[in-house]
Amino acid sequence: KQEVTQIPAALSVPEGENLVLNCSFTDSAIYNLQWFRQDPGKGLTSLLLIQSSQREQTSGRLNASLDKSSGRSTLYIAASQPGDSATYLCAVVSGSARQLTFGSGTQLTVLP
Amino acid sequence: DAGITQSPRYKITETGRQVTLMCHQTWSHSYMFWYRQDLGHGLRLIYYSAAADITDKGEVPDGYVVSRSKTENFPLTLESATRSQTSVYFCASSESGGKMNTEAFFGQGTRLTVV
Repeated sequence: KQEVTQIPAALSVPEGENLVLNCSFTDSAIYNLQWFRQDPGKGLTSLLLIQSSQREQTSGRLNASLDKSSGRSTLYIAASQPGDSATYLCAVVSGSARQLTFGSGTQLTVLP
Repeated sequence: DAGITQSPRYKITETGRQVTLMCHQTWSHSYMFWYRQDLGHGLRLIYYSAAADITDKGEVPDGYVVSRSKTENFPLTLESATRSQTSVYFCASSESGGKMNTEAFFGQGTRLTVV
């Protein structure tokens, strides 16, 4: 059974800092990995999709890397802003159902 | 509007009643999913569907029923609601076929309270 772990569970940083969120998964046989953002009381917004054959993906100030063999992904956020405050979820797609298995998330607070 | 929409957004129901949560997507994605999100458990898969008329159980299917007569719709029914089914429910969809590495998109969620 695929299991996804995210570290840290919560993170508080001052505005302007660069930061890294970590995600690990137990079964390396994945199709892809997706990072989401969730604001309180809201749905999930897709941030980045990394296909299993890719090593990294970039969108604006966000950069996600994938090391499938070691079961790890990182989300790098450059020059953090208060508007980046949210919960960040990592999910891997695997299995015949092509279902997403989620980590428990990292709750990020960026202080002005 | 294009996208994936869920209705209702909020629902309060009594124990033992049947309630149906609706999910509609406009992309003609083959795969659709229902997840529930609970504090301490994160997001867990309830049911999924690979195509119209094809559905299968996920991690926590007990007490739920799904159907998929049309590609764009994937309703989730709680046959006899229990308090333990109080949760936020999310519907998602993704493409399939030869496109294995495709992005999943989520609806805004339905907050269900069973009293």
